[in-house]
Amino acid sequence: DSGVTQTPKHLITATGQRVTLRCSPRSGDLSVYWYQQSLDQGLQFLIQYYNGEERAKGNILERFSAQQFPDLHSELNLSSLELGDSALYFCASSVGQAPYNSPLHFGNGTRLTVT
Amino acid sequence: GENVEQHPSTLSVQEGDSAVIKCTYSDSASNYFPWYKQELGKGPQLIIDIRSNVGEKKDQRIAVTLNKTAKHFSLHITETQPEDSAVYFCAASSPGGANNLFFGTGTRLTVIP
Repeated sequence: DSGVTQTPKHLITATGQRVTLRCSPRSGDLSVYWYQQSLDQGLQFLIQYYNGEERAKGNILERFSAQQFPDLHSELNLSSLELGDSALYFCASSVGQAPYNSPLHFGNGTRLTVT
Repeated sequence: GENVEQHPSTLSVQEGDSAVIKCTYSDSASNYFPWYKQELGKGPQLIIDIRSNVGEKKDQRIAVTLNKTAKHFSLHITETQPEDSAVYFCAASSPGGANNLFFGTGTRLTVIP
C-alpha cells in the first residue's frame, strides 16, 4: 500500500457531465501529481501542486481543473465530459517538488467511464 | 520536451530465466530514471530508481543500468518468478522545465511457470 488514497475507485457518467476525483497524499507529502492513463497512450502528466500552489502543468485540457487544499488533499475536476475522457486517473504524491529528490508514489487510481 | 521510448511492449519468459527491458530518452539533461511495476487493478509501484551520477544499481533480483552517452537505461530481472508478471514502466525526469516524470509506454511481462 503506497499510502495515497483515491476516491472513488470507479465512476460511470454520461457525456456532458462534470465529475470530481479526490486524492489524499501520503502523510508528510507536500506534492500531488495527477496523471491520466489511457489504453493507447500510457501515463500522461496532467498537473502538479506543491503545498497548495500549482508547480507544473502538462497536457491538461481546459475542461479539466485541479486544486490542492490547505490539508493537502487534491481534487481533479473534469467537466463537459467526452467519450475520450474515459481512462484511469492516477494521483501520485511526494515529499518535495521535484522527482529527482523525491520519488513519486501512486494511488490505485479512479477508473472513469463516460457513456 | 522529454521523449521516452520503451521496448519490448510484451515479453514472455520461463520461470527462472532473466528478463530485460530497455528504454531510451531524448533529453540529455535528464538525471533521474525510475522504474515502476503495475499490477492489474493497482497503481504503478516504484521498484527501483537510478540517478545520473551512477551507472548501475542493484536490489536483490532487480538491477538497472544507465548509459548516459547513449541515452538509454535498462531494467534487468533475474531468476524471474510468476509474481513478477505485471506491466513495467520506465520514466525519466529532467531538472528545470517540466517538474514531472515522462513515462515509457510500458512492457507487459509474463513469467510462465
